[in-house]
Order: sequence, then C-alpha cells, then structure tokens
Amino acid sequence: EVQLVQSGGAVVQPGGSLRLSCTGSGFPFDDYAMHWVRQAPGKRLEWVCLISWDGRRAWYTDSVKGRFTISRDNSDASLYLQMNSLRTEDTAFYYCIKDLRKSNTGYLDFWGQGTLVTVSS
Amino acid sequence: EVVLTQSPATLSLSPGERATLSCRASQSVSTYLAWYQQKPGQSPRLLIYDTSNRATGIPARFSASGSGTDFTLTISSLEPEDFAVYYCQQRNDWPLFTFGPGTKLDLK
Repeated sequence: EVQLVQSGGAVVQPGGSLRLSCTGSGFPFDDYAMHWVRQAPGKRLEWVCLISWDGRRAWYTDSVKGRFTISRDNSDASLYLQMNSLRTEDTAFYYCIKDLRKSNTGYLDFWGQGTLVTVSS
Repeated sequence: EVVLTQSPATLSLSPGERATLSCRASQSVSTYLAWYQQKPGQSPRLLIYDTSNRATGIPARFSASGSGTDFTLTISSLEPEDFAVYYCQQRNDWPLFTFGPGTKLDLK
C-alpha cells in the first residue's frame, strides 16, 4: 500500500523558517518525481515545487523561488521542503505528492495527508 | 499562467443521476488535463489524467473528454461516495501547473 506520511507543520512568525518532511513507503521512492502542493483556507490548490527522481533538478512556482528549497534523500525515502522568509500568505495545508511517473509528468498521483503551516505573529 | 475556470461552482444531484462538470482553460492546454476528487477532511485523489485516462482503481462510471480549452468530467450514475469537490489541473504550461477553483458536487 502506497503511503506518504508528513510531518513538520507548525505556527511560525513572519520571517521565520520551517522544514516539512514526508516519508514514502509501499512504492519504489527513487523511481518517482515528487511534488509539494498547498491549499490555503478557502482557496484553490496551488502547485509549489517539484523535484526529479534523482534529486538533480527542481522547479518552483514564482512566489516561493529563493525562499523555499525542495530536496530528497532516496536512501531514506524522504522528501523535504525547507521554507525560509515565511510570509502570512504562505499559510496553508501543504501536501507531499508522488508524481504519476518517473518522468515528471506533472500529474499528482498519490497525496500525503497534508500538514498545516500557519504564519502569524 | 494558464487560468482554469470550472462550472458550475456547485452541482446538486441525487444518487443514480448523471453529473457533468466543466473545466475551461484561458489558453490551449492540448490534452494535458487532469481531474481530482477531494472529500471533506481528505487529501485529493487523482481520477483522470491526459484528459481521459482513468487513474488506477478509478471506477468506470468516471469518464472525461475534451481538448484545447474545454473539458468535461462525467459521472454516469452517482454513488453516495461521489459527493465531493472536483478540481481540474493542467500540466501543459510546464512547470507552472495550475488548478481550477473546484466544483462542489453535493447531495440534493
């Protein structure tokens, strides 16, 4: 059974930092690109970033470039999102997601349970 | 950025009825469109990719079609578990993947 278990959500002050983690099981983690997507309360889903299966390439939405870093450790089947210089508009549920294929299809095949990040003073 | 709009915002139907949901793109996304289902308190689930391909385990009552800017998701005969929010998503504008605002399918 495919599982993505997330952790790391918290309340943080504007300008602060936070690291989200996601551990995969039930599938060959290093065979798939991985994504983070967020959903602010009452808003539509927003794609945040993507990392290739081997961790060598990453892509970001403009609003997080230079502030967020996606990374992975295939030996641990883990995905990370380092979030720096957080803003109130980053408040959202963050989802860790397995891509449909190894080849970065952009289709979001299996979603973690989500973790809430609240940026507030 | 490709903007996706969905209609209707809310669709009220009964079990056994047919549901037709629409997604329109601000510019052509070819056939690179997906549909997701999200139930309250749950994470979204991939239903359809590349316009009309059902994801693993998705029942045959879910079908979809379209190309370019206009897409449709059809649920042929609603089951009680189908009442949820449905989102479309495009991956043509790589890697600026975008989602629609969702259609809430609720019980009449």
